[in-house]
Amino acid sequence: AQSVAQPEDQVNVAEGNPLTVKCTYSVSGNPYLFWYVQYPNRGLQFLLKYITGDNLVKGSYGFEAEFNKSQTSFHLKKPSALVSDSALYFCAVRDAGYSTLTFGKGTMLLVSP
Amino acid sequence: NAGVTQTPKFQVLKTGQSMTLQCAQDMNHEYMSWYRQDPGMGLRLIHYSVGAGITDQGEVPNGYNVSRSTTEDFPLRLLSAAPSQTSVYFCASSKGAPGELFFGEGSRLTVL
Repeated sequence: AQSVAQPEDQVNVAEGNPLTVKCTYSVSGNPYLFWYVQYPNRGLQFLLKYITGDNLVKGSYGFEAEFNKSQTSFHLKKPSALVSDSALYFCAVRDAGYSTLTFGKGTMLLVSP
Repeated sequence: NAGVTQTPKFQVLKTGQSMTLQCAQDMNHEYMSWYRQDPGMGLRLIHYSVGAGITDQGEVPNGYNVSRSTTEDFPLRLLSAAPSQTSVYFCASSKGAPGELFFGEGSRLTVL
């Protein structure tokens, strides 16, 4: 079985400050990990992925994520938050042997001016 | 390219009625899927397809049917709508195994 947890329903950060959105996962094999963003009344958009290789992956809009195998985590980060980053963020995981992608419950990121 | 197109965007049904949510993609993606999004529940997989003629159940398949007669289309059928099926439904597709999914804009369904 595969699962993903996003422990924070909401993250608040001031514009210009660094942000972190947390994600932990559980798989039986090798994990494929993803982050998506959802703006109001829109579908989800792919941000970045980890399949193999460097533990720090870079994605769209200045976001990056750090894969930590020992802590089974894949936290989303950005060095300097923008008000326009305010949105709902989803972490997702797929076990290498599976045909389905499992999403977390989502974390609302609110960036204040 | 249009990407993933879902219709209708909004629908109100009465309990017991049936309907079909349409999904079409023009990217020649093998993999297509349907998710529902509910507050506090995230996205839950209803059904998915790895290619034309092949479908399988996801996490919450009860009350829904799917078929995949062509690569482009993956309709979701509600056989007898129930208030518990009030939700926002998303169709998503990808090239090969699911990962970098392309999502439609969603269909908001209300069952009274």
